[in-house]
Amino acid sequence: QAVLTQPASLSASPGASASLTCTLRSGINVGPYIIYWYQQKPGSPPQYLLTYKSDSDKQLGSGVPSRFSGSKDTSANAGILLISGLQSEDEADYYCMIWYSSAWVFGGGTKLTVL
Amino acid sequence: EVQLVESGGGLVQPGGSLRLSCAASGFTLSRYWMSWVRQAPGKGLEWVANIRQDGGEKYYVDSVKGRFTISRDNDKNSLYLQMNSLRAEDTAVYYCARQDVGLFDPWGQGTLVTVSS
Repeated sequence: QAVLTQPASLSASPGASASLTCTLRSGINVGPYIIYWYQQKPGSPPQYLLTYKSDSDKQLGSGVPSRFSGSKDTSANAGILLISGLQSEDEADYYCMIWYSSAWVFGGGTKLTVL
Repeated sequence: EVQLVESGGGLVQPGGSLRLSCAASGFTLSRYWMSWVRQAPGKGLEWVANIRQDGGEKYYVDSVKGRFTISRDNDKNSLYLQMNSLRAEDTAVYYCARQDVGLFDPWGQGTLVTVSS
């Protein structure tokens, strides 16, 4: 089982909100982990979006709109990337990442379609 | 402008070697950890290796341990990835990225490595 699991795809309408989940493998408690989120558009390298550990320990990337935010769902053992007021330009692949067992580990990525 | 430019990719036969380079500009390389991240065609991101500011600490993903070596030359503002015993599954675009804990930014545009006979 992968360390981080993300749904392969998600669709949402313009103006709506999208919640992208990043579930940690059973036995790995999301609580202590800092979760990083990246956005990648076709033909371009990934871009840093934000960091989330807790509401008092979070950071939004430079130039990243405040429509992007992070949280955790401890009952689901998951990190969440919330995008509000979806725009067509938000259509991209999104990856979560943590430092685990002396390695940076990415989730498999979620392809977000805005239609 | 802070910039990273990778080079050295290309076509190599299975079992062969390749050395990737990453030229940094616009910032002081010696102040940052640096990482290599790869992306196989149509697939997700996979972190490959990283290296501490002075080169004294390095980490690798299990699949490349013993085959790949990350290094740096701060005087030349350059990061390297020596890849030996290459396999078909190493085929990917390889990105270098400046690292501030888990904040990878910026990323280079990537260099394509194709392992095929």
